[in-house]
Amino acid sequence: QSALTQPRSVSGSPGQSVTISCTGTSGDVGAYNYVAWYQQRPGKAPKLMIYDVTERPSGIPDRFSGSKSGNTASLAISGLQAEDEADYYCCSYASYNWVFGGGTKLTVL
Amino acid sequence: EVQLVESGGGLVQPGGSLRLSCTVSGFTFRNYEMNWVRQAPGKGLEWVSYIGVRDVTYYADSVRGRFTVSRDNAKNSLYLEMNRLRAEDTAVYYCARDYGPYSSGAYDYWGQGTLVTVSS
Repeated sequence: QSALTQPRSVSGSPGQSVTISCTGTSGDVGAYNYVAWYQQRPGKAPKLMIYDVTERPSGIPDRFSGSKSGNTASLAISGLQAEDEADYYCCSYASYNWVFGGGTKLTVL
Repeated sequence: EVQLVESGGGLVQPGGSLRLSCTVSGFTFRNYEMNWVRQAPGKGLEWVSYIGVRDVTYYADSVRGRFTVSRDNAKNSLYLEMNRLRAEDTAVYYCARDYGPYSSGAYDYWGQGTLVTVSS
C-alpha cells in the first residue's frame, strides 16, 4: 500500500487560511469516507484533529475543517495562529489496511 | 485520565527480536481496538498493525510474517512481538487507541512512544 501524497510544506501568515491536500486512490481515499488528520509537534505524539473526513473531536476548534472530493481529501485551517505550526498527516482506511500521507510541514510566517 | 505507556524499546542487532508493551489505564481496554504506528527518525507516520476486540489482527505488508500483535485484557496491555528485525524497522513505535466503532484510521489517544534501533 503506497503512502498518500501530501505537499511537503505549506505556509501562511497569522490570520490567513491554508489548505493541505491528501491524494490517494480509488482504493483508499476515494473508496471510503474514512480520512483522518493529525497534528504533530516536534517530539510529541500525533493529535487527532479530524476524523471521518469532516468530523472534529471534542476540543478541536472549528478553525479546522475537512473535506473530500474524489481521491483527494483536504484539511483547511482558517485564522492561522502561531500554535498551528506543526506537521500534519492524513490517514485513510484502505480495506484492512490504514495508510498515512507523507506529512506536510505548516509554517506560520 | 486515559494513559498509554509503551516500553520495551532499545538497541537490537539485525535479525534479532524485541517485544514491545503498551500498558493502558483510564478506560475499559477490552472494549477498544488498538494499533501500533511507527515513525522512523525524521520521517512520517506508518501504520504497523491492528488488533480488534475479538483478537482479529491486520498487518502492514512491510511487517507481515515478522511481527505479531497481541493483547491481554486482564493486564490492560497490548504487545508487539518483533522478529527478524531489519535496519528499516528503526523507529519510534506508538500504541494508539481507535476512536469510534469503525476502525476508520482515527486514533484518539497515543502513547509517548518507544524507540527501537536496529543496528550492528
